[in-house]
Amino acid sequence: AQSVTQLGSHVSVSEGALVLLRCNYSSSVPPYLFWYVQYPNQGLQLLLKYTTGATLVKGINGFEAEFKKSETSFHLTKPSAHMSDAAEYFCAVSDTGGFKTIFGAGTRLFVKA
Amino acid sequence: DTAVSQTPKYLVTQMGNDKSIKCEQNLGHDTMYWYKQDSKKFLKIMFSYNNKELIINETVPNRFSPKSPDKAHLNLHINSLELGDSAVYFCASSRRGTGEETQYFGPGTRLLVL
Repeated sequence: AQSVTQLGSHVSVSEGALVLLRCNYSSSVPPYLFWYVQYPNQGLQLLLKYTTGATLVKGINGFEAEFKKSETSFHLTKPSAHMSDAAEYFCAVSDTGGFKTIFGAGTRLFVKA
Repeated sequence: DTAVSQTPKYLVTQMGNDKSIKCEQNLGHDTMYWYKQDSKKFLKIMFSYNNKELIINETVPNRFSPKSPDKAHLNLHINSLELGDSAVYFCASSRRGTGEETQYFGPGTRLLVL
């Protein structure tokens, strides 16, 4: 069975500082990995995803993530945080079977001025 | 032009009542989903439909009955509402339902059962 663990339910950074949100997954088959962002009172939207190919994936708003199979990780980073990045971030995993995506518990990102 | 829309946005009701939430997508996708997000933001799949056929039913109580009249619509009817049903319900869609596809989420329906 697949699962996702996000380390840290809350992360706080200063504006301009590095953002690092951690995600580890468990999957018996090659996984597809996603990061979604949820702004207050909105639905989720895709930041980036890894399917195959290059392990460093770039997404919207300057975010990127690296798939590391040996570490079963897919951490999300952004070099310089902006106030508008404050939101809930979800890591997710699915497989080729489709129809079912497993989401992590989410990490709330706070950005201090 | 909203890609995935849900109605109503807010729903406040008494225990024991029956209510429905509607979802529509105009993306031409074959697959639609219902998720429940609890007060701690945990997001859990409830149902997946592909071409109007139920594919996934994640041990959801029988009080919850999804209906897909066509590929663009997936409605959720809830009978005999309980306090524990209070949550945000999200509808989503994807093109064919394969694992690598992006899911597109609606804005959510905030259900409060009193």
